[in-house]
Amino acid sequence: LAKTTQPISMDSYEGQEVNITCSHNNIATNDYITWYQQFPSQGPRFIIQGYKTKVTNEVASLFIPADRKSSTLSLPRVSLSDTAVYYCLVGDSHTGGFKTIFGAGTRLFVKA
Amino acid sequence: GAVVSQHPSWVICKSGTSVKIECRSLDFQATTMFWYRQFPKQSLMLMATSNEGSKATYEQGVEKDKFLINHASLTLSTLTVTSAHPEDSSFYICSASGQGSGNYGYTFGSGTRLTVV
Repeated sequence: LAKTTQPISMDSYEGQEVNITCSHNNIATNDYITWYQQFPSQGPRFIIQGYKTKVTNEVASLFIPADRKSSTLSLPRVSLSDTAVYYCLVGDSHTGGFKTIFGAGTRLFVKA
Repeated sequence: GAVVSQHPSWVICKSGTSVKIECRSLDFQATTMFWYRQFPKQSLMLMATSNEGSKATYEQGVEKDKFLINHASLTLSTLTVTSAHPEDSSFYICSASGQGSGNYGYTFGSGTRLTVV
């Protein structure tokens, strides 16, 4: 399982774009990159998953460079409700069944 | 979408008693389930992996006799904390994967807050 490194915390203001970068130098060929959001006293919630280049959905974008050794989660125009911990996971989780190891995550605090 | 129901959402028990936490996949068959615990301000720590009909595989340092995991059906896994002590107080989360689980492989329960007094 590839180890991931993220900033421990980030601060932002409402309406700004937030980019959280995750390093995963040992990513394997079959590994996907998945981001989760977790609010206090709740289970993690899936945000986005990608393998390479760029993926976009209704809540976020995921940018993955060609070497796949890092990825960036982009949250457009954050609001106070986006204050949460964001986890980057790397593994062959696309088909499930493989254990998922969580890193420390990034604690995002959005201010008014 | 795929839904995992975890029950109870919170529980308070006396030291020395046992507590059972249930994790159900409501609309898909969970061939694999995972149990995590999370202490305040910390990340999720994987405790064990269970495959339906098989014994759970525990992570290093997790006492299998204390944290009993049963995954007898494709929709239900249970975690029983036996002889609970205050240091077992934590937030326990399950996740499930299987065909139809959506979310690109894994769906998490909402968690159970266990407080041992």
